Amino acid sequence: GAVVSQHPSWVICKSGTSVKIECRSLDFQATTMFWYRQFPKQSLMLMATSNEGSKATYEQGVEKDKFLINHASLTLSTLTVTSAHPEDSSFYICSAISGQETQYFGPGTRLLVL
Amino acid sequence: AQRVTQPEKLLSVFKGAPVELKCNYSYSGSPELFWYVQYSRQRLQLLLRHISRESIKGFTADLNKGETSFHLKKPFAQEEDSAMYYCALHGSSNTGKLIFGQGTTLQVKP
Repeated sequence: GAVVSQHPSWVICKSGTSVKIECRSLDFQATTMFWYRQFPKQSLMLMATSNEGSKATYEQGVEKDKFLINHASLTLSTLTVTSAHPEDSSFYICSAISGQETQYFGPGTRLLVL
Repeated sequence: AQRVTQPEKLLSVFKGAPVELKCNYSYSGSPELFWYVQYSRQRLQLLLRHISRESIKGFTADLNKGETSFHLKKPFAQEEDSAMYYCALHGSSNTGKLIFGQGTTLQVKP
């Protein structure tokens, strides 16, 4: 099946710094990638939809200047958490689809902001 | 409004017992529904989708449009079924977006 990777798998950073998370589709071209946030023992909250070559579409309540998304190629999307604060600590998950097919999920990135 | 509701946060059963994880949805059109599973320390993965009408790992789910439900069932639970289960809805928009339910933790006791 299709594989989606994320890097890094976990990151610890100081408050005020920026963190970049990469999401790659390894064996297919992803026309669309999605970024989710998951709190412990809770559901996935969609943050934004990212289409290759165009601006991301953010869900209501998600600050686009805080969570910068770039989808420069059909196999790579990045999420940058700018000026991170402790409340940004979470598990960030990406998923990718090709056309209208099934979403394939990455393993997630755990971010801890000190 | 599009919404997916999983009323049970935790479902605990003994090995060999039947399992039913409930999922109700709210959608005005013809939805496409999925069940995703997340085992401990693993990524979310697709378990089954209603349009394929297949049985995966002994699990089945039938879309009931009258009751707007898509409950996940298995006649005999196994310990390895212990995981977090999410019901998800894909509406008719072309965005590919999924709307997830809150998730149900299934705990199968020996």
